[in-house]
Amino acid sequence: TQLLEQSPQFLSIQEGENLTVYCNSSSVFSSLQWYRQEPGEGPVLLVTVVTGGEVKKLKRLTFQFGDARKDSSLHITAAQPGDTGLYLCAGYSNDYKLSFGAGTTVTVRA
Amino acid sequence: EAQVTQNPRYLITVTGKKLTVTCSQNMNHEYMSWYRQDPGLGLRQIYYSMNVEVTDKGDVPEGYKVSRKEKRNFPLILESPSPNQTSLYFCASSFVRGGYEQYFGPGTRLTVT
Repeated sequence: TQLLEQSPQFLSIQEGENLTVYCNSSSVFSSLQWYRQEPGEGPVLLVTVVTGGEVKKLKRLTFQFGDARKDSSLHITAAQPGDTGLYLCAGYSNDYKLSFGAGTTVTVRA
Repeated sequence: EAQVTQNPRYLITVTGKKLTVTCSQNMNHEYMSWYRQDPGLGLRQIYYSMNVEVTDKGDVPEGYKVSRKEKRNFPLILESPSPNQTSLYFCASSFVRGGYEQYFGPGTRLTVT
């Protein structure tokens, strides 16, 4: 089983600040996904990145896939309380197996 | 509305009492799977199904059974639950295995005493 490590495990910031969450592995992934999970709900897909070096932007969220396709980052600009949640990265290996990181709990204080 | 539903949402049971958690999707997806989520361990796949009557083990299948008699339903069966199966369980579906758009159910919190 491929191991995806997320850092930090917990992150608490003030509204308006920026934050970055990292997802690292020693293995190569064919694609990588980011999910957000809110209490009492299942994970919801935010983005899928496929190409090494790819950068995708969704409003205030920027996702980057590493050149070697072993790591990824999620950057949130001017965080809002609505960004609070558990952020999960997940990577697809070439045999279509999806492995998840343990998650980063983000708290944005008003 | 496209969705994955699970029942029950919360369940407290005792060791050894058989239980079933149901999962249903209304998107005509071929691929369905079950995960458990534990603190610090993330989501780990229990079983998956690529189509009707086709199921296979995931990373942590011990103590669980599944069946896929209909495309829309994928129940998870614990024939003799034990306390180490206390966890948060999620059902998920997508058009095919490896399909980028994977939809998760709302989760079932199971406590085995």
